[in-house]
Amino acid sequence: AQSVTQLDSHVSVSEGTPVLLRCNYSSSYSPSLFWYVQHPNKGLQLLLKYTSAATLVKGINGFEAEFKKSETSFHLTKPSAHMSDAAEYFCVVGTASKLTFGTGTRLQVTL
Amino acid sequence: GAGVSQSPRYKVAKRGQDVALRCDPISGHVSLFWYQQALGQGPEFLTYFQNEAQLDKSGLPSDRFFAERPEGSVSTLKIQRTQQEDSAVYLCASTQGATVNQPQHFGDGTRLSIL
Repeated sequence: AQSVTQLDSHVSVSEGTPVLLRCNYSSSYSPSLFWYVQHPNKGLQLLLKYTSAATLVKGINGFEAEFKKSETSFHLTKPSAHMSDAAEYFCVVGTASKLTFGTGTRLQVTL
Repeated sequence: GAGVSQSPRYKVAKRGQDVALRCDPISGHVSLFWYQQALGQGPEFLTYFQNEAQLDKSGLPSDRFFAERPEGSVSTLKIQRTQQEDSAVYLCASTQGATVNQPQHFGDGTRLSIL
């Protein structure tokens, strides 16, 4: 069985400061890991995907995530937050036929 | 179309009524997924189609939920005898290939409210 735990339900940062959204996963084998973003009343958009080719994964809009097997973590980072980054972020683990989502982290960006 | 299209965007029904939610995947996409997203929660897997074959329906919460994709393109999620706990956003996603590890393209969802 696989699962993900998003350690923060809500994160608030100032515009221009770094973003860190934390995720720990549990999987019985080598997982596929994703980060998705959801803006209000919209569907989910893929930010980035890890599939064992490289431990540091670069995504869209300046986001990146590092896979750390020893820590079973897949934290999402961005060097400088923008107001448009305010949204709900989901860490996701994939297996043969389904995606399992975390409970989400709401990112608030203030001026 | 350019993306996954879901209709209606909003649906209000009285408890006990049947509802049908439609998903038009990206043209040519083999795999189609349905998810249920309760308020303040992450999406939860309901069911998965590869072409017209329903390969996994382990997430359907009860036998009141039924999904079909008869021609391997458009899919319909039907909920019979709706109950208040069915209120949620229902998301559809599709992928070009046959594995879930490809990026899934999501529609904007149908927000279902049961009165």
